[in-house]
Amino acid sequence: SAVISQKPSRDICQRGTSLTIQCQVDSQVTMMFWYRQQPGQSLTLIATANQGSEATYESGFVIDKFPISRPNLTFSTLTVSNMSPEDSSIYLCSVDWDRVFNEQFFGPGTRLTVL
Amino acid sequence: DQQVKQNSPSLSVQEGRISILNCDYTNSMFDYFLWYKKYPAEGPTFLISISSIKDKNEDGRFTVFLNKSAKHLSLHIVPSQPGDSAVYFCAASASSRKLSFGAGTTVTVRA
Repeated sequence: SAVISQKPSRDICQRGTSLTIQCQVDSQVTMMFWYRQQPGQSLTLIATANQGSEATYESGFVIDKFPISRPNLTFSTLTVSNMSPEDSSIYLCSVDWDRVFNEQFFGPGTRLTVL
Repeated sequence: DQQVKQNSPSLSVQEGRISILNCDYTNSMFDYFLWYKKYPAEGPTFLISISSIKDKNEDGRFTVFLNKSAKHLSLHIVPSQPGDSAVYFCAASASSRKLSFGAGTTVTVRA
């Protein structure tokens, strides 16, 4: 399995500001995913990030609010823009490691609190 | 709409006994199912999976059962250990490889 790290692990931000979350994988992977877990809720997919192409966003998520970069096969960033308290969540990146089955492996998450 | 449902938010079980976690899904296109375990302040950890061509998959203390006609799967943990106390998420995917998650079940194993 892949070793996945995220930075920062947690942050407290002011309303209206932006935060960029980094996800680093120790191996090259084709597909990376960004999820959000709001308090007491399940994991919700924000977007799929493939190297060399635009990220694909799920319904309810837009690029202006959650711009994503994928400059190479081991790294991705998610920016949470113009934050409001409703953006307080855990943000997780994952990778699709197994080419045959969809066994995604997750990073430790970034806990974001917006005041 | 929630395509994967875990209707029991919590489960308490005595150490050494069986834990049974249930999951229902609505999308008939789902062909692969997974269980993840999550401790506080950590990301979900992959536990066990099952393809739609099977009805059972076993890995040590963990067994997943799939009933396609009922669109239902379950995770059995036998015997339950204190370290099993965590939140368990059921997830499903179709050919798109995107995962849809249930709301999770918090398992507490009592000594």
